[in-house]
This record gives sequence, structure tokens and C-alpha cells, in this order.
Amino acid sequence: EPEVTQTPSHQVTQMGQEVILRCVPISNHLYFYWYRQILGQKVEFLVSFYNNEISEKSEIFDDQFSVERPDGSNFTLKIRSTKLEDSAMYFCASRLDRGGYNEQFFGPGTRLTVL
Amino acid sequence: EDQVTQSPEALRLQEGESSSLNCSYTVSGLRGLFWYRQDPGKGPEFLFTLYSAGEEKEKERLKATLTKKESFLHITAPKPEDSATYLCAVQSGTSYGKLTFGQGTILTVHP
Repeated sequence: EPEVTQTPSHQVTQMGQEVILRCVPISNHLYFYWYRQILGQKVEFLVSFYNNEISEKSEIFDDQFSVERPDGSNFTLKIRSTKLEDSAMYFCASRLDRGGYNEQFFGPGTRLTVL
Repeated sequence: EDQVTQSPEALRLQEGESSSLNCSYTVSGLRGLFWYRQDPGKGPEFLFTLYSAGEEKEKERLKATLTKKESFLHITAPKPEDSATYLCAVQSGTSYGKLTFGQGTILTVHP
């Protein structure tokens, strides 16, 4: 069964450093998303991506964040200068949105720890 | 702004003791209501999509229902392996698929 994969599973970084989180969405899906979940809190939407551009973003997704689909399979989230409050689980999700299939499938997540 | 509230925050059941989880929502034009299961340290696992009031979906011991203001996840004769956090999320008609999640209900089923 196709699934969303994410690497690395755990990333530890120093405050102010850049990190890139990687995701491989399900191959025929058209919409891609990043969410984050701070420990003990709700899953929060960050950004959606369709047709090689951002279609929607939240207030959390400021100039420190960027997304890219560098090739036909990978989808990345970059945080340019990490802050302590960026520590969270980051989930990638993908959605087909064709033929009535509207659900999003999530990856296993990357735990980001900023020291 | 879309809002989702889940209750109770935590639910402890004995194996075989049926119960229901509640998800209340406000959304500008519901495009879909989704139930996910999340195990500790893992990503949300898709369970159900509901689109309109009166709709019901079933999968093994789980049954999801939808009204115009809330959704219920009914668990019949639960087993310890059903222990997890159950998340409810909504997608509004004005978004590109953005999901707004509730806080979740932590379900523990004791043998």
C-alpha cells in the first residue's frame, strides 16, 4: 500500500541553524501539505502546495519557512534560522483530490529538537 | 475561523465497554469531516471521511456519524489495541484542503 515517507525521523539542531525536512508523498497525489504538532498540542496547518506553488499558508508560516518540490517525488520544508519554539513534530501529508478522494494521508513525522 | 472541539479529553474503558467520542465543529461551508487515529510518536492514520449530515461510515469496531454541528465516533466492544488518540478535523469549502484539527480524545482500553 502506498504511503508517505519522511526523513529524518529525528533532527537535532542548534538555534539559528537551517534545517531541511524531507518528504516523499504518495506518487499520484496532487496536493501536498506540512503540519506541525508541538508536544501535547493540536496538529496545526502550516502550508499547502499545488501545481508547484503555495496555495495556502498559515500565520505560522512566516519568512523563515519555505517549501519546494525539487523533482517529481520529493517535497521539502526549510526553516532558515531555527528558534526554540520551532521544536515540534512536523508531518507531511498528501491528497489525491480526484475522483472524490479528498482525504489526506500523513507521513510518520520528523521530530525537530532545537537546542 | 474554523473551530473543532473534541470531548472528552480522555476516556478510559474496559475491554468490551462501548462508548462514543464527540467532535463539535463550526466551519464556513463544510467540505469534509475527517477522523484520524494517532498512536504516540506517529503520524495521524486516516479512518473516515464524512461529507454531509446523516452520513455514516463503519470500519470494524468503529462507526462515524455526522450532523450539521457535530460528529460522533462510536466504538463497539473495544479491545486494548484500540487505545490511541482519536483526532477529528474539518476542511472548509474555502480552503485548498487545509485541515483544522481538534485537540483529540485519548482513548485507553483496559483488558
